[in-house]
Amino acid sequence: AQTVTQSQPEMSVQEAETVTLSCTYDTSESDYYLFWYKQPPSRQMILVIRQEAYKQQNATENRFSVNFQKAAKSFSLKISDSQLGDAAMYFCAYRSAVMDSNYQLIWGAGTKLIIKP
Amino acid sequence: DAGITQSPRHKVTETGTPVTLRCHQTENHRYMYWYRQDPGHGLRLIHYSYGVKDTDKGEVSDGYSVSRSKTEDFLLTLESATSSQTSVYFCAISRSGVRGPVYEQYFGPGTRLTVT
Repeated sequence: AQTVTQSQPEMSVQEAETVTLSCTYDTSESDYYLFWYKQPPSRQMILVIRQEAYKQQNATENRFSVNFQKAAKSFSLKISDSQLGDAAMYFCAYRSAVMDSNYQLIWGAGTKLIIKP
Repeated sequence: DAGITQSPRHKVTETGTPVTLRCHQTENHRYMYWYRQDPGHGLRLIHYSYGVKDTDKGEVSDGYSVSRSKTEDFLLTLESATSSQTSVYFCAISRSGVRGPVYEQYFGPGTRLTVT
């Protein structure tokens, strides 16, 4: 069974600085997807970024980028120029690409990101 | 926003009573999911659906049942609510591709359920 681990329960960063959130996962599959979701106090779950395992190039979305290390099974999220609106819980998630799986997302426990003004 | 609504948004109920949560989507997506979120656990899959009347269990399905009689609605029922089912419940959808659901899931706003 696949597992996702986020070893940092809480992180803090000064506004405008850069922060990196860690995620490791365990799987025997070679084809899968990885995601970072953001959950602000409103509770809404918002997709931040997606990475396909077959792609070597790291995904980027504006100020958000990932460092995907497939051999190490590591998937970290870098937030550049941190803003107050980035304060939230961040969840790392894994999804199998195997056909006829239930396609569920396997989630880490989350990292609470605090932005200091 | 993938046009997903959940109702009710908040509910307090007593142990032993039945509870039904509703997920409604407006975009006719085939795949729908129910998750629960508890502190320290991220989200965990309860049940999912891959079409009308096609449902299956997730990892924490005990005490829950689901129904999907229409594409747009996916209902989660707690037959006899227990305090351990106090949680935040999320509905999600996946857009469909040729080989199955496409990539990521999109989530509704969640329902906070308290069982006293």
